[in-house]
Amino acid sequence: DIQMTQSPSSLSASVGDRVTITCRASQSIFSYLNWYQQKPGKAPRLLIYAASSLQSGVPSRFSGSGSGTDFTLTISSLQPEDFATYYCQQSYNTLMYTFGQGTKLQNK
Amino acid sequence: QLQLQESGPGLVRPSETLSLTCTLSGASISSGPYYWGWIRQPPGKGLEWVGTIYYSGSTYYNPSLKSRLTMSIDTSKNQFSLSLRSVTATDTAVYHCARLGPGMAAAFDHWGQGALVTVSS
Repeated sequence: DIQMTQSPSSLSASVGDRVTITCRASQSIFSYLNWYQQKPGKAPRLLIYAASSLQSGVPSRFSGSGSGTDFTLTISSLQPEDFATYYCQQSYNTLMYTFGQGTKLQNK
Repeated sequence: QLQLQESGPGLVRPSETLSLTCTLSGASISSGPYYWGWIRQPPGKGLEWVGTIYYSGSTYYNPSLKSRLTMSIDTSKNQFSLSLRSVTATDTAVYHCARLGPGMAAAFDHWGQGALVTVSS
């Protein structure tokens, strides 16, 4: 299985901050990496697919980068509605999709 | 606008079978090229891919669940289903159904709200 490791596991930030979350794969996954946002009691929401492509309807303050084993999700200017948990997910191994453990973004 | 809705019992006894159905509205399950999947989330924990099915009936299961899992699709009802046998408390989770695009650049782009299934006697 491809292991996905996110850092940090939790993060405190303020509205207006620039926030970066990192995801590392246990082997190269090229650019087959997706990012999701999940709020309590809700389904995950796709933000970024194929490492850097913004899903339709997602604000442009969200961006993704990286390839190989190291990826980042950046929120350029944190908004109140962005406090949530974020997950990365690899789609390179289509026989075994795996997610990172999540990063909880909290209000400082 | 595609919508997915999970349905099924919220309580299952240990050793019995967990059965859930996902009903689509706003799109045809057989229109392709999409796959349809289940992802679960134990209370307070992260996401785990359960399995994926194509409208043709081809299935792909998480190896850790494969011996207990069956997924099926009913194109006439625009539904797909999950059956997990011999459940234990570790199968307690919110089960989400979702749409998955084709290929390696695929992502789960539409999700159901989730159904909490508790395994308890």
